[in-house]
Amino acid sequence: AQSVAQPEDQVNVAEGNPLTVKCTYSVSGNPYLFWYVQYPNRGLQFLLKYITGDNLVKGSYGFEAEFNKSQTSFHLKKPSALVSDSALYFCAVRAPLGGGYNKLIFGAGTRLAVHP
Amino acid sequence: DAGVIQSPRHEVTEMGQEVTLRCKPISGHDYLFWYRQTMMRGLELLIYFNNNVPIDDSGMPEDRFSAKMPNASFSTLKIQPSEPRDSAVYFCASSFLRDNEQFFGPGTRLTVL
Repeated sequence: AQSVAQPEDQVNVAEGNPLTVKCTYSVSGNPYLFWYVQYPNRGLQFLLKYITGDNLVKGSYGFEAEFNKSQTSFHLKKPSALVSDSALYFCAVRAPLGGGYNKLIFGAGTRLAVHP
Repeated sequence: DAGVIQSPRHEVTEMGQEVTLRCKPISGHDYLFWYRQTMMRGLELLIYFNNNVPIDDSGMPEDRFSAKMPNASFSTLKIQPSEPRDSAVYFCASSFLRDNEQFFGPGTRLTVL
């Protein structure tokens, strides 16, 4: 069965430092992986996705994610954190339903706190 | 485009009352999703539609929950009767074609007293 894990409930980073939010996955077949961000009192916003191709995927707001097949990981990264990056981050994996349909399974979320 | 529109943004009701949440997806999107978010259970997919047809409703908690999509621009999620444990933020999302990114609405915060 498809699943995704975000091992850290919270990540604390100083502004200007690089940040990493971790995600590991378990899938049968080729993984389709996503990152979303949720700001307070808002819906989720799409950041980036990996379907195939380069292992380093670039997304919105300067974020990128590195797909590592051997470690079954899809960590979210940013070279220099901003206070405005503070939010809840969700990793998601595509899960097949049959009949050609799929759904997303979301991780529990990681709260990123960037301190001035 | 205005994005995914949900109404109401906040709903406070008493146990036993009927609650109806509404969603207008982005024009042209052919997939519509209803999610529920709580601290305890995180983000759960309740049901999703493709071209107005329900595809997977295995996440609907029980018979008190029902969802409809009478046309491509409108969907409802109804809870009857509501219970305090239904208190959560309910999100609607839509997407175009399979496996594309989903666009989420702002959510409806439901409180059942």
